[in-house]
Amino acid sequence: AAGVIQSPRHLIKEKRETATLKCYPIPRHDTVYWYQQGPGQDPQFLISFYEKMQSDKGSIPDRFSAQQFSDYHSELNMSSLELGDSALYFCASSQRGFGDTQYFGPGTRLTVL
Amino acid sequence: GESVGLHLPTLSVQEGDNSIINCAYSNSASDYFIWYKQESGKGPQFIIDIRSNMDKRQGQRVTVLLNKTVKHLSLQIAATQPGDSAVYFCAERSVGRGFQKLVFGTGTRLLVSP
Repeated sequence: AAGVIQSPRHLIKEKRETATLKCYPIPRHDTVYWYQQGPGQDPQFLISFYEKMQSDKGSIPDRFSAQQFSDYHSELNMSSLELGDSALYFCASSQRGFGDTQYFGPGTRLTVL
Repeated sequence: GESVGLHLPTLSVQEGDNSIINCAYSNSASDYFIWYKQESGKGPQFIIDIRSNMDKRQGQRVTVLLNKTVKHLSLQIAATQPGDSAVYFCAERSVGRGFQKLVFGTGTRLLVSP
């Protein structure tokens, strides 16, 4: 079965640079979620989109923005990167009205030097 | 504030034993709970879920128990195998404004010895 696809899988950036993470949800899934997981920590919710509209917002820094496109893929844009932004970034998708179970992608490991 | 936490950070068992991973939650309004398995460097993998109107749900080798009175959730893994070694997270769905963000608890690392 098709799973959530994330790209790139690994990303290395310098402080103050920008980064763009991409997420392709499971086909027919209409909701996308972004989570950040620091080393040894549990995933923290950042933001979600349903039908291309922001549906919920968590602890996402103002330096980050995200959107969902007409084909339902989503991008997380991160600017003025800081050392503390180094983490695993997961995207999850679900289908509203069909259990809403969130299925996670493999993640993007972002390292800020 | 809301919190979902686990009692034990590491659980070591022998292959073939049954494993029990516990989780406490604090938001009595939560209506949906999920267990995820996360292997090193991978994304959380859905294991089993349970809604608040249920006390027990069984899957293949796994059972989730929900005790709403004491706000406690547990994951039971029967005949644990080395491949079950991973970090296990319970997650609570925040009903909030009607959307489905997940609040994760601190993971429990399960180590299975052959």
